[in-house]
Amino acid sequence: GNSVTQMEGPVTLSEEAFLTINCTYTATGYPSLFWYVQYPGEGLQLLLKATKADDKGSNKGFEATYRKETTSFHLEKGSVQVSDSAVYFCALSDPFLGNTPLVFGKGTRLSVIA
Amino acid sequence: DTAVSQTPKYLVTQMGNDKSIKCEQNLGHDTMYWYKQDSKKFLKIMFSYNNKELIINETVPNRFSPKSPDKAHLNLHINSLELGDSAVYFCASSQGQWAQYFGPGTRLTVL
Repeated sequence: GNSVTQMEGPVTLSEEAFLTINCTYTATGYPSLFWYVQYPGEGLQLLLKATKADDKGSNKGFEATYRKETTSFHLEKGSVQVSDSAVYFCALSDPFLGNTPLVFGKGTRLSVIA
Repeated sequence: DTAVSQTPKYLVTQMGNDKSIKCEQNLGHDTMYWYKQDSKKFLKIMFSYNNKELIINETVPNRFSPKSPDKAHLNLHINSLELGDSAVYFCASSQGQWAQYFGPGTRLTVL
C-alpha cells in the first residue's frame, strides 16, 4: 500500500537557519505529493504541492521537488522565521484510485527560536 | 468567507453520551472527508464521501456514523462515546483528486 515516511522531530533551529525536512514515499502508482502545515491550535493548511516528477512546489519561501528516482519530496526553506514554528506533514494521494484520501506522514514539529 | 467550517470547535462530554460534529464547505467540491488526529498528531482517514455517497469507510467502530445530507455537508455522529475517542477530528474537502482543504478541527474530550 501507499505510505509516507518523514523525519522524526522535533527540529529546533535558530532564526535565519536553513531548513530541510525529509520525506520519502511508497506508492503503487504516480501519486500527487503535498506538504501541509499545522500552526498551534489550528487546522491543516496546504503549503505546496507537486503532481508529477520533477515538478517543484513553492510557497512562502518553502520549496519541495518531486523526485521520482529517489521517491522523495523534501521540504526546504532558506531562512526560517519564528512564525514558521509549526508541525509539517508530508502527504500523498493516488489519482489513479479516484477520489482517494490523503496518506500522511507522522508530522515533524519545527521550533524556530529568535 | 471560511471555506471549510466545523462546529463545535471544542466538545467536552461524558463517556456513554452521543454527540455530533457538523461540517460544511462552500468550495463547491464533490468529495468530503473525516480524519482523526490522535494525541501524537498522527492523522488517519475515517470516511470519504463523493456526491453524498460513501466511498471509503476505514476500520472505525460502527459507533461512528457519517451522514451527508448534500454535497456541501458531511456530519459525524458518534454513539456511546469512549475515552479512546478523545482526539481532534478534521473535516476536509476536495474536487476530484486535487488538494484537500481542511476545516479548523473539533477537539473532542471524553471524560
